[in-house]
Amino acid sequence: GAVVSQHPSRVICKSGTSVKIECRSLDFQATTMFWYRQFPKQSLMLMATSNEGSKATYEQGVEKDKFLINHASLTLSTLTVTSAHPEDSSFYICSAALGSGAYEQYFGPGTRLTVT
Amino acid sequence: DAKTTQPPSMDCAEGRAANLPCNHSTISGNEYVYWYRQIHSQGPQYIIHGLKNNETNEMASLIITEDRKSSTLILPHATLRDTAVYYCIVRVNNAGNMLTFGGGTRLMVKP
Repeated sequence: GAVVSQHPSRVICKSGTSVKIECRSLDFQATTMFWYRQFPKQSLMLMATSNEGSKATYEQGVEKDKFLINHASLTLSTLTVTSAHPEDSSFYICSAALGSGAYEQYFGPGTRLTVT
Repeated sequence: DAKTTQPPSMDCAEGRAANLPCNHSTISGNEYVYWYRQIHSQGPQYIIHGLKNNETNEMASLIITEDRKSSTLILPHATLRDTAVYYCIVRVNNAGNMLTFGGGTRLMVKP
């Protein structure tokens, strides 16, 4: 299957700082990428849909000014958590969708964010 | 997207077949059935998907009932590494369409 990478795999930051998470599709071009968040013992929750070259679409309750998404190329999307607080500590996972007749999504390995 | 119902947990003996059921009684005609799994602290892994015919790949088989209101994912010879949360999702096939994850089934494969 297609490979999606995320960097970093885990990060610890201090409250009030910003953290950038990268999501890359390694062997295919992804017009659309998705960002999910998963709290302990819960299921994945979609945060936003990212389309190359346009603004991201955020789910209800997700602050677009706090979670900045940039999808500058067909293989890279970034999520920046601005002014992070301890309640932002979570597992952040991106996915990328194949197009052209194949629509299954492939997920990155996730980024564990801990805000102290 | 239509909702799905899965048992919260199941056990399976190593080497035996694991049969994971999913109910999707409100599925629409253009919605596919997708299965993903998530091993602890990893991103979800795509397993298989289908519309109405049974499907098989190197990982699993997907059996969809004729009325499409339920399906079963079959892992023919479960191993300890198959221990994971398995998610059944119904979705229109569109690259721009997100996946809506429910609670899934936590499969525990035991030696």
